[in-house]
Amino acid sequence: GQSLEQPSEVTAVEGAIVQINCTYQTSGFYGLSWYQQHDGGAPTFLSYNALDGLEETGRFSSFLSRSDSYGYLLLQELQMKDSASYFCAVRDWRGATNKLIFGTGTLLAVQP
Amino acid sequence: DAGVIQSPRHEVTEMGQEVTLRCKPISGHDYLFWYRQTMMRGLELLIYFNNNVPIDDSGMPEDRFSAKMPNASFSTLKIQPSEPRDSAVYFCASSLGEQLDYGYTFGSGTRLTVV
Repeated sequence: GQSLEQPSEVTAVEGAIVQINCTYQTSGFYGLSWYQQHDGGAPTFLSYNALDGLEETGRFSSFLSRSDSYGYLLLQELQMKDSASYFCAVRDWRGATNKLIFGTGTLLAVQP
Repeated sequence: DAGVIQSPRHEVTEMGQEVTLRCKPISGHDYLFWYRQTMMRGLELLIYFNNNVPIDDSGMPEDRFSAKMPNASFSTLKIQPSEPRDSAVYFCASSLGEQLDYGYTFGSGTRLTVV
């Protein structure tokens, strides 16, 4: 089966850098995804790492180490609008299934 | 593109009543997923379809839940009879193919309250 672990809450100040970690256990690994969800809103896709290393998209970067079963989301130049929940997710690929399993999410609070 | 469209946005119903949630995926997307989100259990996958065919319904809680996808542009999730513990936000999502590079696109969700 799958399990993902993330910190439940992270607090940072505007303009700072914050890192949200995710460790996973999965029987078959096909990449790590990150989603953002504002309160009352829909999850929105941020990034996907299939291979080891850092992927950068603007202020957000995502890192993966398959040997460590570990990844993180890095948010730079934090803005108030970055206050949201962030979820890591892995694909569950057993047999013919193809579905994303989400972590419990990390609530990021950005303070002025 | 209007994105994934769900209706209704909010639904309040009495225990024992039938509830039907609706979803229109993004045109051209061949995968459709139904997720449920609660504080206790987070985002749980209920069922997903590929080319309108149900592939995995192992997340459906019990026989009270059923889902259909009669065509590529419409899916329903039905709960009959509803119970208070079904109160949650139900999300529909769609994706193109099996590649995760572009992720799932989620709808705005239906907030269901069963009293």
